[in-house]
Amino acid sequence: KNEVEQSPQNLTAQEGEFITINCSYSVGISALHWLQQHPGGGIVSLFMLSSGKKKHGRLIATINIQEKHSSLHITASHPRDSAVYICAVRFYNTDKLIFGTGTRLQVFP
Amino acid sequence: NAGVTQTPKFQVLKTGQSMTLQCAQDMNHEYMSWYRQDPGMGLRLIHYSVGAGITDQGEVPNGYNVSRSTTEDFPLRLLSAAPSQTSVYFCASRVIAGGIYEQYFGPGTRLTVT
Repeated sequence: KNEVEQSPQNLTAQEGEFITINCSYSVGISALHWLQQHPGGGIVSLFMLSSGKKKHGRLIATINIQEKHSSLHITASHPRDSAVYICAVRFYNTDKLIFGTGTRLQVFP
Repeated sequence: NAGVTQTPKFQVLKTGQSMTLQCAQDMNHEYMSWYRQDPGMGLRLIHYSVGAGITDQGEVPNGYNVSRSTTEDFPLRLLSAAPSQTSVYFCASRVIAGGIYEQYFGPGTRLTVT
């Protein structure tokens, strides 16, 4: 069983829609990361969270430590948001990342 | 800064051949790592290094060697390529300081072993 589960695996949306991608993990963590993988393959870090909520432009990431769950929201989605979004966690007593399998998002005009 | 660079971008090998994937970073990061990405699976850690002269195994180290003679470079060697090593390989470097954890990925190398 993967220690990090993402849902949905695939997501399609029309431009302007509000998007939510979910990430659940199995045990306590020290931090959770959201990353974006572009269609060309490059991976960039979006957020690191250990509690609460962070916002950057149209992207919002939230985490509920008690529920062991995080969400990544995209407001007013745009075709350029089309990418794979990856959740990764750091468990206590390690600084290695465990990655989810990713959510492939396609936003159509 | 160029960030993390990887070469080559694409490579095709025959079973049994050896090769080295190159990785370099110009951010003076002590920690560097290699991951492989396969369909339906999350990125998996192959080897990592916490500084020049220090390397350690990750989750899937078999069939791969690494060395770290300088802070900048962290090459990954495939000793005798196998079809199971067909994957996309990412090198990454990271800094942890004052509560900040920032990881930077290279552009990836797509390797096919026939």
